Amino acid sequence: NAGVTQTPKFQVLKTGQSMTLQCAQDMNHEYMSWYRQDPGMGLRLIHYSVGAGITDQGEVPNGYNVSRSTTEDFPLRLLSAAPSQTSVYFCASSPNADTQYFGPGTRLTVL
Amino acid sequence: DQQVKQNSPSLSVQEGRISILNCDYTNSMFDYFLWYKKYPAEGPTFLISISSIKDKNEDGRFTVFLNKSAKHLSLHIVPSQPGDSAVYFCAAPGAGSYQLTFGKGTKLSVIP
Repeated sequence: NAGVTQTPKFQVLKTGQSMTLQCAQDMNHEYMSWYRQDPGMGLRLIHYSVGAGITDQGEVPNGYNVSRSTTEDFPLRLLSAAPSQTSVYFCASSPNADTQYFGPGTRLTVL
Repeated sequence: DQQVKQNSPSLSVQEGRISILNCDYTNSMFDYFLWYKKYPAEGPTFLISISSIKDKNEDGRFTVFLNKSAKHLSLHIVPSQPGDSAVYFCAAPGAGSYQLTFGKGTKLSVIP
């Protein structure tokens, strides 16, 4: 039981490039979400999904795209990377509103 | 507008003493609160929670107190251990949703 896995751990992009951050969970949780953490800030919700085929925007969705074709996977796409998207990205899954299980994070730098 | 506030960015405590981490909130609709602990280069992990129908919840060395009238909660760690050194986030789910609103976090350093 691996929990929540994220790949890659680190990524450097140039401005304008696109990429996909991968997230997978093996706990059969319906709810999954993406957060970003910036220095001196708490985690901010980017997008979330309450089940396969259903996604919605969080607090800071601009510049990001998501889809949920399976219960297990919830990739986050950066359409055209900008330096303001330099951050640490965390994926989480949850069976209920009580707790969320976070992945180890992806540290992204956009030059 | 920050709905969950942790006004102390850092806290240093001697090993064996009590650590008290504070959190204030502005949204009176919040009815459930969670504390997460985060070590460097790892994702946050759930620590303890409290429902608004309670004013205290205890789990081993960790106790969370909720003062609804003051819109304030605190996490007490007794006794503090060096392994408790981490960033602690207070969070609350939005009404009817799983979406968490996080505070900015407090970095706790427990000095041996």
